[in-house]
Formats: sequence, C-alpha cells, structure tokens
Amino acid sequence: GAVVSQHPSRVICKSGTSVKIECRSLDFQATTMFWYRQFPKQSLMLMATSNEGSKATYEQGVEKDKFLINHASLTLSTLTVTSAHPEDSSFYICSASLGQGDEQYFGPGTRLTVT
Amino acid sequence: LAKTTQPISMDSYEGQEVNITCSHNNIATNDYITWYQQFPSQGPRFIIQGYKTKVTNEVASLFIPADRKSSTLSLPRVSLSDTAVYYCLVFSGGYNKLIFGAGTRLAVHP
Repeated sequence: GAVVSQHPSRVICKSGTSVKIECRSLDFQATTMFWYRQFPKQSLMLMATSNEGSKATYEQGVEKDKFLINHASLTLSTLTVTSAHPEDSSFYICSASLGQGDEQYFGPGTRLTVT
Repeated sequence: LAKTTQPISMDSYEGQEVNITCSHNNIATNDYITWYQQFPSQGPRFIIQGYKTKVTNEVASLFIPADRKSSTLSLPRVSLSDTAVYYCLVFSGGYNKLIFGAGTRLAVHP
C-alpha cells in the first residue's frame, strides 16, 4: 500500500515557539492531505484539509492563524503550530489519499509536547 | 456525513472470533463503509471497506445487511496483538473527508 511519512516523530518545544511538522506521501502524489489532532484516550479530530496549490480548509473551531498549513507540492504538506502553548501538546496525524473516494493512508503521527 | 455509533469497548480472549457492530442509520446511497485500526501512538491503519453484502480480506470480514444501516466487522481468531481501537467510518466517494467517532476499544486477553 501507499506510504505516508511524518517528521519529526516527536518534538518537545518551549512555550511561545513555533514548530513545523512535515507530512510526505512517499510513493504517490496527493492533491489532498488531511491533518488530525488526537488527545490521549480520545478519537482523531479533523483539523483541516490541505489542498495542493491553494489555501487549506479549516474545520470549525480550528484557528487558521495558529495552525498554518502549506501544501506546496503533490508530496508534501506542512503544519506549523505557531506560538505553541502547553494546551497544544497532542498527537498530530496526517493522511493522504490517491484520489476522491479512495482509501486514506495515515502517517505514523507526531507527538508534540510544549513545556 | 453520516454519523456512526459503535460500542465503546469490548473484551475477548485469544483465539475467539470478535464481531464489532456499527450503526449508521443516515448512510447515503453513495456512502462506503470503512474500518480502521489504531494502536497507541500510531496512525490509523486501513482494515477493510465495503458497500454492501460481504467483503473479506486476509485480516477481516465486513458484513453489511441489505438496508446498509449497520455493518459488522468480524475478526477471526484474535490474538493479543489485535488489542487496539477500531473505528467505523462512513464516507461518500465524492467527499473524501473522514470524521472519526469514538471507536471501539478492543482488549484481547490471554
């Protein structure tokens, strides 16, 4: 199956700093990628849809100025958590699909800890 | 997007068959039913997808009745490594956006 990678797998940062998380589709091109956040013992919450070459579409309640998404190529989407705070500590997961209606492939996730 | 309902948790023992049922009363004509498995601190992994009747692959079977308002994921002869959270999702081929419900936390005991 298709492979999606994320980097870094875990990151610790200080409050007030910004952190960038990369999501790559390794063996296919993805015009659309998705970003999720997952708190301990909870389900995945969709944050935004990342569209190659255009602005991301954010879900209700997700601050677009805090969670910057860039999808500059068909194999890379980045999520930047700006001015991170301890409450932003979470597990961030991306996914990509080959096309509309196709199975989504998920990355391994990035554990963010803000101290 | 159709909402799904599934049991919060289930317990089983090694070697048993496990059936997890999901309700999706508002499923639309174009919707498919997909199941994902998630281990702690990992991204979800696709298990199986179907539209109607029965689908089987090397790891599971998916049973969908004629009215499609529910579906049952069947895991044959589970092992300890099947302990995970299982998510049932419904999505339209034209939509592509996945909304995760609470999932079912399956615990397999020796």
